[in-house]
Amino acid sequence: DAGVIQSPRHEVTEMGQEVTLRCKPISGHNSLFWYRQTMMRGLELLIYFNNNVPIDDSGMPEDRFSAKMPNASFSTLKIQPSEPRDSAVYFCASSVIQGNEQFFGPGTRLTVL
Amino acid sequence: QKEVEQNSGPLSVPEGAIASLNCTYSDRGSQSFFWYRQYSGKSPELIMFIYSNGDKEDGRFTAQLNKASQYVSLLIRDSQPSDSATYLCAVIPTNTGNQFYFGTGTSLTVIP
Repeated sequence: DAGVIQSPRHEVTEMGQEVTLRCKPISGHNSLFWYRQTMMRGLELLIYFNNNVPIDDSGMPEDRFSAKMPNASFSTLKIQPSEPRDSAVYFCASSVIQGNEQFFGPGTRLTVL
Repeated sequence: QKEVEQNSGPLSVPEGAIASLNCTYSDRGSQSFFWYRQYSGKSPELIMFIYSNGDKEDGRFTAQLNKASQYVSLLIRDSQPSDSATYLCAVIPTNTGNQFYFGTGTSLTVIP
């Protein structure tokens, strides 16, 4: 299996622009997680899905962030408008079922100028 | 109060020594515990998981869980320079819908 796939790997944008991050989970995995990692706050869970349904989005920082999972093989995390404080590495992870070990994608390094 | 706490380090050990990484958690009812390794600029990768009190060994790695004291540790025997990385502890507390809570990680450097 190719593992969790994320795109783009790097994104540099200007403040106020819309940013869309994409994730393809491992085939057969039913849970998908979006994390954000910074030096100051470590790895933070933003939102997770079970069987394409959002379960808990309490980690989403504010209304500028939204996530969707239209089918079992694709998810997006959107930031609109982006701000410099959104600069971080965003990871997508998937697991067979919620509570099992999670497998991480390579991450998207976002820089907002 | 943070759910999961780790000493950020850095922890330095000489090659061939035993590296000991520790993690404490606040929810006494937590049932699942995971150790991830993250190389600089890379994504976290799972090393081990442990569910029961006691030790679990996998090659040079041993995970130790003590639920009464609410800590989980990772021992790396015969440390190698390639073990130099940040090690993340993850816990699934009760009543959280089985979501992971990660510690901030401990940076380990193995000196040749």
